[in-house]
Amino acid sequence: QVHLEQSGAEVKRPGTSVKVSCKAPRPLFIGYYMYWMRQAPGQGPEWLGWINPNTGTTGSPQKFQGRVTMTRNTSISTGYMELTRLTSADSAMYYCALGQLPPGRGVDPWGQGTLITVSS
Amino acid sequence: EVLLTQSPGTLSLSPGERATLSCRASQSVGSHFLAWYQQKPGQAPRLLIYGASTRATGIPDRFSGGGSGTDFILTISRLEAEDVGVYYCQQYRGSPPGITFGQGTRLEIK
Repeated sequence: QVHLEQSGAEVKRPGTSVKVSCKAPRPLFIGYYMYWMRQAPGQGPEWLGWINPNTGTTGSPQKFQGRVTMTRNTSISTGYMELTRLTSADSAMYYCALGQLPPGRGVDPWGQGTLITVSS
Repeated sequence: EVLLTQSPGTLSLSPGERATLSCRASQSVGSHFLAWYQQKPGQAPRLLIYGASTRATGIPDRFSGGGSGTDFILTISRLEAEDVGVYYCQQYRGSPPGITFGQGTRLEIK
């Protein structure tokens, strides 16, 4: 069973930023793109972006461009997703996952999730 | 952006019955890039089907997928209690590049 290890839950104030980490087994980290999704209660997952761990090239939907940044530290096989200018609408479970680009074999495995709560 | 509409919203069936879940796309989706996931309460989604019809590793043959273009189906035969959860379809398109998920179908076992 492949295991992606995400950082712990956080409570943030509106207007601040949050950075979530995701550590993967090294062979998978360098062999696959890392995808980031979030899921609000009762909703389907929403794609936030992806990163090529070897080149650092990223992609994200227009909705999040300028607000989401994905980076990686290859020496420790860890990817990061930072979201800025938080509002209550950003409260959700945030997931990382691995997959090819394009994802012809789906996106799997997923991390256990990181709960982000934005509240004043 | 391709919108995925799943139906029904909730499905309540008995053990041993067959479940049929629908996923309709707002634009044609390449079959190579249509996947299905299962999410159990308190867990992350798990890949069931990719390429519209190929089972992921370890997925029992009770799960099958099909369809093309804008209409895709996930079938679960011989329902078991452990199949309870929410099922999502997901697609990828290259222009503009991105993935989207449906809103999910909740499966309940009576």
